[in-house]
Amino acid sequence: QIVLTQSPAIMSASPGEKVTMTCSASSSVSYMYWYQQKPGSSPRLLIYDTSNLASGVPVRFSGSGSGTSYSLTISRMEAEDAATYYCQQWSSYPPTFGAGTKLELK
Amino acid sequence: QGQMQQSGAELVKPGASVKLSCKTSGFTFSSSYISWLKQKPGQSLEWIAWIYAGTGGTSYNQKFTGKAQLTVDTSSSTAYMQFSSLTTEDSAIYYCARHGGNYGYWYFDVWGAGTTVTVSS
Repeated sequence: QIVLTQSPAIMSASPGEKVTMTCSASSSVSYMYWYQQKPGSSPRLLIYDTSNLASGVPVRFSGSGSGTSYSLTISRMEAEDAATYYCQQWSSYPPTFGAGTKLELK
Repeated sequence: QGQMQQSGAELVKPGASVKLSCKTSGFTFSSSYISWLKQKPGQSLEWIAWIYAGTGGTSYNQKFTGKAQLTVDTSSSTAYMQFSSLTTEDSAIYYCARHGGNYGYWYFDVWGAGTTVTVSS
């Protein structure tokens, strides 16, 4: 199965700061998907097909990448963005998730 | 957008089975693919299986073959997952989620709130 490695595992950012986190796949994938999860809540889809914003997601979120290297960027950190972010692939079975990047507010 | 309402928390004994439900609304259930996923406390997500509500066709993660069984009731737009021979390793939150995207390049665009299953004697 494809292993997704997210880095960093934990990071902190100040309000207004640009945030970038990465997801590295053990084999090439066609698309990457990104989710946000806050404590006590279910995951929320942020990005689909690598770079498309899901419905209702603020435009400060963006995704990019190809092959084995993908990233999620928040252009300007807001307090509500503190959460854990997961990448996911379904280019091969079984679909897999990364271990997550926990983003804290500085 | 749709909603997925999951059944309440379960406390079950080792070796027992449990059947979780996921009642959907706001989208066409019969043309939907529904997955079940597992999340242990403080850990990432693990895909268990999907079911196509239109035909009942399924696909399982090899790790959960024989452990999980998915069914649907199209009359009530509800998906079910039966989990058998439970051990303490099965204690987790279980989510149902609807597939978005094209066949084989799916993501999960609508999620249930999750059902907490605790396996303890």
